[in-house]
Amino acid sequence: AQSVTQPDIHITVSEGASLELRCNYSYGATPYLFWYVQSPGQGLQLLLKYFSGDTLVQGIKGFEAEFKRSQSSFNLRKPSVHWSDAAEYFCAVGAAGGSYIPTFGRGTSLIVHP
Amino acid sequence: DVKVTQSSRYLVKRTGEKVFLECVQDMDHENMFWYRQDPGLGLRLIYFSYDVKMKEKGDIPEGYSVSREKKERFSLILESASTNQTSMYLCASSLSGGAETQYFGPGTRLLVL
Repeated sequence: AQSVTQPDIHITVSEGASLELRCNYSYGATPYLFWYVQSPGQGLQLLLKYFSGDTLVQGIKGFEAEFKRSQSSFNLRKPSVHWSDAAEYFCAVGAAGGSYIPTFGRGTSLIVHP
Repeated sequence: DVKVTQSSRYLVKRTGEKVFLECVQDMDHENMFWYRQDPGLGLRLIYFSYDVKMKEKGDIPEGYSVSREKKERFSLILESASTNQTSMYLCASSLSGGAETQYFGPGTRLLVL
C-alpha cells in the first residue's frame, strides 16, 4: 500500500525567504507524485506532478520539486516566497495500472510573515 | 480548463435532515471522488466512482451514500445528518487511474446544528 508523510504541520517563513516543504512517500514501484495547493476557502489546485524523466519538475507560481528515489522524497521548493503563497500544501502519490485512488499527505500549512 | 462545480459553498442543516451535495464536472472524466476535510486530518476519502452507476467505499463511508446516474454528476447523500458530519466536503474528478491529476471543486462547508 502506498503512503505519504508530510512531517511539518505548519511552516512559517518571511516574505522573500526561500521555502522547502517536505514530502516522503512509500510505494513499491515507480510512483506518480503530485503537489497540490489549497488557498483559504478553496478547493485544491495542482502545482506540479512527476511521472518520469527529469527528476526536477517545474510547476506553476514559481514552484519546483525534486524527486529523489534514494530518499523516497519529493520536496517542494520556492526560492522567494510571496505573501499570496500562504496556503495549505498537499503532497500525493498515485499508482499506475488500475489503482484509482491517489493517497494524500495530511498537508502543511504555510504562514508568510511580511 | 476542467471545471468541477459543487452545488453549494455553504450549507446549514439540522440534525436528522437528509442532505444532498451535488458535484458536476464538464470534462468527461471517468473517476469522481468525494472527500471530507477536517483540520489536522487532511483529506479523507468517503466514496469514489470509476463509472456511471459504479461506486466504491473509501476510508470513511459510514453515514454517507452516493449516486452517479450520469457520467458528469456525482452526488453525496447524508441520510440523517449528525453534528459530527460538520466539515468541508470536496469533490474531485480525474480522467482515469490513480496516476492522473485530480481536479477539485471549491468545496462545500457544511454545518450541522
